[in-house]
Amino acid sequence: GAVVSQHPSWVICKSGTSVKIECRSLDFQATTMFWYRQFPKQSLMLMATSNEGSKATYEQGVEKDKFLINHASLTLSTLTVTSAHPEDSSFYICSARRAGGNYGYTFGSGTRLTVV
Amino acid sequence: DAKTTQPPSMDCAEGRAANLPCNHSTISGNEYVYWYRQIHSQGPQYIIHGLKNNETNEMASLIITEDRKSSTLILPHATLRDTAVYYCIVRGPPHGNEKLTFGTGTRLTIIP
Repeated sequence: GAVVSQHPSWVICKSGTSVKIECRSLDFQATTMFWYRQFPKQSLMLMATSNEGSKATYEQGVEKDKFLINHASLTLSTLTVTSAHPEDSSFYICSARRAGGNYGYTFGSGTRLTVV
Repeated sequence: DAKTTQPPSMDCAEGRAANLPCNHSTISGNEYVYWYRQIHSQGPQYIIHGLKNNETNEMASLIITEDRKSSTLILPHATLRDTAVYYCIVRGPPHGNEKLTFGTGTRLTIIP
């Protein structure tokens, strides 16, 4: 149990376009999901905390108007990178925690975004 | 700010036990120690967590010192598939929604 599906696994887009990444909890409900970004040879950096039915909480330095997060249901959160630029090229990873109980966090398999 | 300190890299021979240390001298009373690993180009994978008692599961053992200022993750019989970056993280109880903050981790390489 506790599977998180992330889609797409990789995407290439042109500079100036927008890209949407989906994060789904397949077999549990997730009131909270987290979005991370990871540049090559670096650790995961938390971008934002996504709460079902409310606005996301962004970490300092992360532009909320550029990285739009929607958590409309207990099983789906989306991250949209708007007006993407080459410097947004990175590995984006989501994680989710099963609502209630002493469960840890489950991570998606990540999305490799390349902006050309 | 990272609450943990780990060596940047380690090697271990295949079949031997891999012992990964972590220092967390500022850990508070209600904080747990969590271990995750990340195999190249994948999302992190949960390994184990503990509060003060030693813990063991099918993947690994976690040894926490009595003063809780450090811990060691033990992979009893390392295989090539255990090559990954291992992250030691300190945060609140599992039932909370507190975020996970990743440090730089230890890059473990299993050598044939």
